[in-house]
Amino acid sequence: EAQVTQNPRYLITVTGKKLTVTCSQNMNHEYMSWYRQDPGLGLRQIYYSMNVEVTDKGDVPEGYKVSRKEKRNFPLILESPSPNQTSLYFCASSLFSGSEAFFGQGTRLTVV
Amino acid sequence: AQSVTQLDSQVPVFEEAPVELRCNYSSSVSVYLFWYVQYPNQGLQLLLKYLSGSTLVKSINGFEAEFNKSQTSFHLRKPSVHISDTAEYFCAVSDPNAGNMLTFGGGTRLMVKP
Repeated sequence: EAQVTQNPRYLITVTGKKLTVTCSQNMNHEYMSWYRQDPGLGLRQIYYSMNVEVTDKGDVPEGYKVSRKEKRNFPLILESPSPNQTSLYFCASSLFSGSEAFFGQGTRLTVV
Repeated sequence: AQSVTQLDSQVPVFEEAPVELRCNYSSSVSVYLFWYVQYPNQGLQLLLKYLSGSTLVKSINGFEAEFNKSQTSFHLRKPSVHISDTAEYFCAVSDPNAGNMLTFGGGTRLMVKP
């Protein structure tokens, strides 16, 4: 089954404790991206990647890192999480720019 | 940079009534347009898309959207809604030459009442 898998689905952590949210897709898509969803703001892009070893900042990259060492995986790293990063995070992939994006189920992160 | 405006944050409507969810985008260059739907506690699913060709696009569950280049709009419509259509709807735009995937609007929560 074609899918984008994120882990964990739920995470509560403390300020400053490094964490990683994993994302994996099985569709051989070149494009992958991370978004955060906040009430009234829709989804805002954090980082995106057009291919292996190619990443670029989206609209709200501060406080986040990503890597793309393999085509299927695109982890999101928070080196020092802060409460303003409490949000619902989505990973997405697409075959190419402009094609349909497939989304993971989301990761609800709470930073206390 | 692209921007997408969804004019209504919430739209309450009675079952079997028609509905229109409005979406305007900023870019005057050629773009791709999408509507995504998010049911409670789920990820986003593609509802319909406009890439080129006919300006009226339809989904399998009765929704349709019309691309209007002169008004830079892509409004979503359904002639008769069901309770099961209750969800949040997101309009999104993609510039195929920018490589940055999708820019989303703020979302519209459609609440269908019996």
